[in-house]
Amino acid sequence: EDKVVQSPLSLVVHEGDTVTLNCSYEVTNFRSLLWYKQEKKAPTFLFMLTSSGIEKKSGRLSSILDKKELFSILNITATQTGDSAIYLCAVGVGGGNKLTFGTGTQLKVEL
Amino acid sequence: DGGITQSPKYLFRKEGQNVTLSCEQNLNHDAMYWYRQDPGQGLRLIYYSQIVNDFQKGDIAEGYSVSREKKESFPLTVTSAQKNPTAFYLCASSREPMNTEAFFGQGTRLTVV
Repeated sequence: EDKVVQSPLSLVVHEGDTVTLNCSYEVTNFRSLLWYKQEKKAPTFLFMLTSSGIEKKSGRLSSILDKKELFSILNITATQTGDSAIYLCAVGVGGGNKLTFGTGTQLKVEL
Repeated sequence: DGGITQSPKYLFRKEGQNVTLSCEQNLNHDAMYWYRQDPGQGLRLIYYSQIVNDFQKGDIAEGYSVSREKKESFPLTVTSAQKNPTAFYLCASSREPMNTEAFFGQGTRLTVV
């Protein structure tokens, strides 16, 4: 059975802190790993990673994939209250773009 | 604007009734998905469809049914056989080929009383 595990489950930090969110996976026929941010309803896409060791960056957010160790991290630097959300990790497996999601990490950024 | 639309946003039903959740997309995407989200459990795949008139069961298909008669539409029926239907339901779509992101609708919160 495909499995995606995220840690920590929840996290409270202060504005300006740097956070690292983890995602490990055990799946057959790995295609890609995706990160989403879910603030209220619809998850919004952040990154898609397919190759090991290549960092993807968007502003204060960055992510990297290690296909040998089967994990990915999402880094957020200089956190702001607007970063408060659930961060979801998903792995694309097999054909048809089937995505298997982790449980998510609930991040709260306080003033 | 292109996007994916779910309706209604909130739905209340009595136990034992079937209910259908709507999902429409105008992104010309081939693949569509239904997920269920419960607190602390992330998103779990109910059904997915790669092409019109074809769909496959996901991890938690029992008590649900779908149809894919049109490319744009992928309705989900929550039947009375679903033992714990109260949840937040998310529909998504993605274009083929593989390794493309999925776009999500705003979700439907179903409460069965």
